[in-house]
Amino acid sequence: NAGVTQTPKFQVLKTGQSMTLQCAQDMNHEYMSWYRQDPGMGLRLIHYSVGAGITDQGEVPNGYNVSRSTTEDFPLRLLSAAPSQTSVYFCASSWDSKNTEAFFGQGTRLTVV
Amino acid sequence: AQRVTQPEKLLSVFKGAPVELKCNYSYSGSPELFWYVQYSRQRLQLLLRHISRESIKGFTADLNKGETSFHLKKPFAQEEDSAMYYCALSTSGGSYIPTFGRGTSLIVHP
Repeated sequence: NAGVTQTPKFQVLKTGQSMTLQCAQDMNHEYMSWYRQDPGMGLRLIHYSVGAGITDQGEVPNGYNVSRSTTEDFPLRLLSAAPSQTSVYFCASSWDSKNTEAFFGQGTRLTVV
Repeated sequence: AQRVTQPEKLLSVFKGAPVELKCNYSYSGSPELFWYVQYSRQRLQLLLRHISRESIKGFTADLNKGETSFHLKKPFAQEEDSAMYYCALSTSGGSYIPTFGRGTSLIVHP
């Protein structure tokens, strides 16, 4: 059981480049979300999805796009990378109930130069 | 709006000392509270949730609705407790997607 898998683990981008961070889960979870982790800022929610075909913005959505075409996958797209997007990105998934535990991927460390 | 506040960025103690990591929340309804832990170079994982009322690795946390707090406590810290700890809030208003605090780095010295 792989759980939540993120790829790549590390990435360096130049300003203005685009890329997609991949996230896949094999637990049939309805809820999936993307967070960024910055020193002193904790985990901030970027986008989330409560089911296939449904996405919504979190606290810091600007500069990021998402889609949810399947239950398993929830990719995060950076259309034009900026140095302010240098961060560690975590994907999480969970069941659709309020007491549920969120399962996290191992993170993607992104540097934009 | 819902918010989680962890006032301490860093908590440094010696082995065997008591530990209390503070967490306060703001939400007008009935929230679900969690503590997550991130050990060095590992992914975040659930430590405990208030609904379970359990003790995990010697840690406990009590939800105080009057003070809107969910502090994490351990009577005798161990070196292996050194990690980043995040308090999280889940509510119906937020579609049950967790809102996290800024985290507290706990360092336990030998």
